[in-house]
Amino acid sequence: AQTVTQSQPEMSVQEAETVTLSCTYDTSESDYYLFWYKQPPSRQMILVIRQEAYKQQNATENRFSVNFQKAAKSFSLKISDSQLGDAAMYFCAYIQEVGDQAGNMLTFGGGTRLMVKP
Amino acid sequence: EPEVTQTPSHQVTQMGQEVILRCVPISNHLYFYWYRQILGQKVEFLVSFYNNEISEKSEIFDDQFSVERPDGSNFTLKIRSTKLEDSAMYFCASREGASFHYSYEQYFGPGTRLTVT
Repeated sequence: AQTVTQSQPEMSVQEAETVTLSCTYDTSESDYYLFWYKQPPSRQMILVIRQEAYKQQNATENRFSVNFQKAAKSFSLKISDSQLGDAAMYFCAYIQEVGDQAGNMLTFGGGTRLMVKP
Repeated sequence: EPEVTQTPSHQVTQMGQEVILRCVPISNHLYFYWYRQILGQKVEFLVSFYNNEISEKSEIFDDQFSVERPDGSNFTLKIRSTKLEDSAMYFCASREGASFHYSYEQYFGPGTRLTVT
């Protein structure tokens, strides 16, 4: 079974600075997707960024970028120019690519609480 | 932009009562999911649903749980006899799929907070 581990329960960053959240996963599959979800206090799950395992290029979405190391099974999220609104729980998630199968579900890590100091 | 909606946002019920949580997935999506998040813990998969039947379910999804798509838009999760440990946030998600370009992104609703007393 796949597992996703986030080793940092809490992180803190100064506004306008850069922070990196870590995620590692364990899988024997070669085709999969990885995601970072943001969960603000409202508890809504918001997709931040995705990475296809077959792509070598790291995904980027505005101030958010990932460092995807497939061999090391590592998928970290970098937030640049941190803003107060970035304060939230961040969850790393994995999904196996098995063609168009409905059963493939997201496996989540335990989350990292990010605090942003003004 | 289309979004997944869930009702109610907060449900309080007494132990042993039945509850039905409702979701309206994005209209052209074909795959539906329920996840659960106990306060302070990770999000856990409950069940996936496609073509009017369950395609996968987790150990959590025991006989007390059932899902249904009663019409073309709603997707419901029923808990027959609630327990204290069912208190959690329940998220519905959907994805499109069934196209040449598979999309694995699951779009989440805002969640229903279930409190069992």
